[in-house]
Amino acid sequence: SSELTQDPTVSVALGQTVSITCQGDSLRSYHASWYQQKPEQAPLLVFYGKNNRPSGIPDRFSGSTSGNTASLTITGAQAEDEADYYCNSRGTSGDPWVFGGGTKLTVL
Amino acid sequence: QVQLVESGGGVVQPGRSLRLSCAASGFTFSGNAMHWVRQAPGKGLEWVAVISYDGSHQVYTDSVKGRFSISRDNSKNTVSLQMNSLRGEDTAVYYCVREVTTEPTITWFGPWGQGSLVTVSS
Repeated sequence: SSELTQDPTVSVALGQTVSITCQGDSLRSYHASWYQQKPEQAPLLVFYGKNNRPSGIPDRFSGSTSGNTASLTITGAQAEDEADYYCNSRGTSGDPWVFGGGTKLTVL
Repeated sequence: QVQLVESGGGVVQPGRSLRLSCAASGFTFSGNAMHWVRQAPGKGLEWVAVISYDGSHQVYTDSVKGRFSISRDNSKNTVSLQMNSLRGEDTAVYYCVREVTTEPTITWFGPWGQGSLVTVSS
C-alpha cells in the first residue's frame, strides 16, 4: 500500500470547485507535487511546492498543505480537467519516493 | 526544450532480460538525479529507481532489488535501466523522469517522456 493516500474517485460539476487530497506523514516535512494524467498520455506536472504552477498550467489549479494533508484545488473545473491525478513526495519508510494511488476526477 | 525519450521496450519472456534507455536533451543532464517510474496496465504510478546526478548512488524499490540496475552516462546524456529475471508483474509502461529540487523540501519530476512499454509474457 502507498504511504500517500488519495481518494480513488472524485466528481465535480462543470464550473464548480473541487479539491483532491493526499494524506501522508512525509507531507509534514516535504511538499507534494501533483501530476495530471489523461488516457493514453504521460503524466504532466500541474503543481508543486508551496505555491508553484508550471508554465502553461491554468491558474485555476492551486495547491496547499495542512498538517499531513496536501490538496490540489481546481477552481472552476473544466471538461478538459477530467483525468487521473497523482500526488508524489518523499517516503518515510521503504522507498525514498512514493506516489499516491491516484484520484480519478470526473467532471459532470 | 527539455525532452526525455525512452526506448528499448518490447515483449519478453519471463526470466529474460531487457534494457531500457532514455535520451535527455535541453538541460544540463549531469546536474540532475534521474528516476524510472512505471505504470502497470490500468494501475497507478509506481516509483522504481533513482540514480544520483553523478551516478555514484542508486536506490531501488524492494520488488526490483537484485534484478534491476540503473546507470547513466553523463557524456552521452543517457540513463538506462537493465532489467533481469523479468516477471509478469514487471509488465508496465516505464517512464524516465528528471528530478528537480528547488529547495530541500520542494522536489518535482519532469518532464515525462512518452514511456516505453515492457510486456513480460510467454
